Amino acid sequence: GAGVSQSPSNKVTEKGKDVELRCDPISGHTALYWYRQSLGQGLEFLIYFQGNSAPDKSGLPSDRFSAERTGGSVSTLTIQRTQQEDSAVYLCASSLGGPGNYGYTFGSGTRLTVV
Amino acid sequence: AQSVTQLGSHVSVSEGALVLLRCNYSSSVPPYLFWYVQYPNQGLQLLLKYTTGATLVKGINGFEAEFKKSETSFHLTKPSAHMSDAAEYFCSGGSQGNLIFGKGTKLSVKP
Repeated sequence: GAGVSQSPSNKVTEKGKDVELRCDPISGHTALYWYRQSLGQGLEFLIYFQGNSAPDKSGLPSDRFSAERTGGSVSTLTIQRTQQEDSAVYLCASSLGGPGNYGYTFGSGTRLTVV
Repeated sequence: AQSVTQLGSHVSVSEGALVLLRCNYSSSVPPYLFWYVQYPNQGLQLLLKYTTGATLVKGINGFEAEFKKSETSFHLTKPSAHMSDAAEYFCSGGSQGNLIFGKGTKLSVKP
């Protein structure tokens, strides 16, 4: 597609439920990133996929968080047993190769609210 | 550890005044340095990127950033602020893999 597409744009869920957030990157972009944006906290790195390499999961805050990328394209971020502190905007970005040459192209994000 | 620090979470300027948003990075961060802008309820957009060897980098909407290795700084400037510049600005960088982002500076422009 023309840009990075994220769905849903908004998600309200009850504490303890599981949620799945989807990211459709720009066609041909080999790298895909997930970040979390909380008020006043900037962007927190979560996970990074590059081609067929094992993902860099070093930013995932707990084992309730997981992500996969199927066929080198679409990615799903799953949060199990959601907690109120998981409320944030989850941003997906993609890039052609690593971030250095072209930077990232971001999606509009999914605003997650846990009640 | 790599770090990117933005000085000032809020900056307010008058329309037509100089905009200066400060960013300092840890010495391990280059060669990748960027500024992104986020308008309300939108995703982040690339404003400009550092190119190895350059000292002054030009971006979109009249913004520029000066790379000063001796000061480990990459400050963003615009000579004359416009109302449409009101947004949140993020400095980011990294040497490999994922980028690190500063906490952002919210720019307000007063008429």
